[in-house]
Amino acid sequence: AAGVIQSPRHLIKEKRETATLKCYPIPRHDTVYWYQQGPGQDPQFLISFYEKMQSDKGSIPDRFSAQQFSDYHSELNMSSLELGDSALYFCASSRTGPGQPQHFGDGTRLSIL
Amino acid sequence: GQQVMQIPQYQHVQEGEDFTTYCNSSTTLSNIQWYKQRPGGHPVFLIQLVKSGEVKKQKRLTFQFGEAKKNSSLHITATQTTDVGTYFCAPSDSGYALNFGKGTSLLVTP
Repeated sequence: AAGVIQSPRHLIKEKRETATLKCYPIPRHDTVYWYQQGPGQDPQFLISFYEKMQSDKGSIPDRFSAQQFSDYHSELNMSSLELGDSALYFCASSRTGPGQPQHFGDGTRLSIL
Repeated sequence: GQQVMQIPQYQHVQEGEDFTTYCNSSTTLSNIQWYKQRPGGHPVFLIQLVKSGEVKKQKRLTFQFGEAKKNSSLHITATQTTDVGTYFCAPSDSGYALNFGKGTSLLVTP
């Protein structure tokens, strides 16, 4: 079965640079979520999209933005990167509705030097 | 979002022993999902609980939702080394985003 595809798997950047993370949801899933997981931490919700519109916002810094495109893939754009942005970034997708299981991608490991 | 506390933070058991992790909230939860994350992996959905007092079983795993819908538990009978990982409980908001607890990391030694 098709899963959530994230790219790149690993990304190394320096402070103040920008980064773009991509997510391709499972076909026919209409909701995409982004989560950030620091080392030894639980995943923290950043932002979500339903049918290409932002549906919910969590602890996403103002330096980050995201969007969902017509083909339902989503991109997380990160600017003015800081050391503290080093983390694993997960994208998840689901059908919309209460209690729908979220299917996570393998994540993008972002390291800021 | 709805916040939950998970205990214990870590648990180390011998293979064959039982394991339980608890998830507690100060507010009534509409639903709660459980996820497992293997070391180096991504969270994987295990179950969703919605009804007060609900009990669901998946082989050696038993999930419970409290009568007041403020707590939940996951019990694993006769742990195996394949059970190693971090178990998260996660209620979802009205927007369906998950509010993960801190998780319980389970280590099983043979």
